[in-house]
Amino acid sequence: SYVLTQPPSVSVAPGQTASITCGGDNIGNRSVHWYQQRSGQAPVLVVYDDSDRPSGIPERFSGSNSGNTATLTISRVEAGDEADYYCQVWDTTSDHPEVFGTGTKVTVL
Amino acid sequence: QVQLQQWGAGLLKPSETLSLTCAVYSGSFSGYYWSWIRQPPGKGLEWIGKITYSGSANYNPSLKSRVSISVDTSKNQFSLKLTSVTAADTAVYYCARLVPAWSGAFDIWGQGTMVTVSS
Repeated sequence: SYVLTQPPSVSVAPGQTASITCGGDNIGNRSVHWYQQRSGQAPVLVVYDDSDRPSGIPERFSGSNSGNTATLTISRVEAGDEADYYCQVWDTTSDHPEVFGTGTKVTVL
Repeated sequence: QVQLQQWGAGLLKPSETLSLTCAVYSGSFSGYYWSWIRQPPGKGLEWIGKITYSGSANYNPSLKSRVSISVDTSKNQFSLKLTSVTAADTAVYYCARLVPAWSGAFDIWGQGTMVTVSS
């Protein structure tokens, strides 16, 4: 099945910008979704279809996707952004269509 | 505001069958895929399977021989059964709504159920 690779951790100071990458073979040809999971809570969708935000998600969360890397960018980072972040794609041609990335722990310094 | 509420047994012995149910409140049941996802302690997310309103299901190949997902449209509920559980099945189990129009994003999640398999 398709493999999505994320860095295990990213650290960022409050007010700065965090970038979380998601690597996959020609991932730029797929739609990528991003989830935030705070400690002890269910995941929350923060970006879908590479760069769209669901209702209620701040504009500080943005996404891009090209080549072999998709990126979630969090601008003006706040303490409440500390969480695990997962990317995900939907490969309808596969017998394992729903694939999640390995996850990235974002630490706010 | 669509909500997913899930329930089921939280402690199982090896070889028993895991059984969880998820109810969909305040929203349409058709037009979406209804999914189960799990997360072992300290680890990442693993897709288990999904089912449509009409009952068409597909499963993670690694679990296919042990998993079954069913739907009860009269109650707006869907259920997960996982047979012959072992300690490796210990995880938080989530139900979630997959939105085909959003290229398969999971936009709504249940609260999660911690399932522990221990003798």
